[in-house]
Amino acid sequence: GESVGLHLPTLSVQEGDNSIINCAYSNSASDYFIWYKQESGKGPQFIIDIRSNMDKRQGQRVTVLLNKTVKHLSLQIAATQPGDSAVYFCTFNSGGSNYKLTFGKGTLLTVNP
Amino acid sequence: DTGVSQDPRHKITKRGQNVTFRCDPISEHNRLYWYRQTLGQGPEFLTYFQNEAQLEKSRLLSDRFSAERPKGSFSTLEIQRTEQGDSAMYLCASSSPGGGSSSAGSYEQYFGPGTRLTVT
Repeated sequence: GESVGLHLPTLSVQEGDNSIINCAYSNSASDYFIWYKQESGKGPQFIIDIRSNMDKRQGQRVTVLLNKTVKHLSLQIAATQPGDSAVYFCTFNSGGSNYKLTFGKGTLLTVNP
Repeated sequence: DTGVSQDPRHKITKRGQNVTFRCDPISEHNRLYWYRQTLGQGPEFLTYFQNEAQLEKSRLLSDRFSAERPKGSFSTLEIQRTEQGDSAMYLCASSSPGGGSSSAGSYEQYFGPGTRLTVT
């Protein structure tokens, strides 16, 4: 039958391993970035954010790294758990006082027990 | 539960019918956003309100789509003469003018659970 593949980048890890999810953005004016987690059938959930005047920010088990030179963002999840399985989106603003967020394509993280 | 609610959660309608969705944001949030999400894609921005003023609309929002936030609290999104291509998850989000747990405060958007629209 027809595949209903999501055509998302996917990452599969073992429980307890660290996960790294990457994201590229194109707008050099973007100065605010958020990582969201979306579980099946639910709305996106805020994980962590970072401003462009920072290159690293840590939360509980999560770290976001920002490299403005190459317009690259990453999310590191330590000691990944089955509950971390979800689609992860990086988002960014357009710069200035525009509060609209643009979502990236998303990465499907699967944690194997 | 983020505190943003949407109603209905699911809607099945026939092509050509009109549908209306409701979003109730977090009460102290003055900004409200509508997004559309299709399978395998990230949410796409549709429109944004600050209080009752609609400040920005995406070109994705055709003439068949209209959104309102009459008293600066809840918002409605109406789709007229629905088409099969309108089938998607419609997400609402809200944000505050400042504060919050994020480093920037006002950019953090809290999303509702979405309304899943199926046009047959």
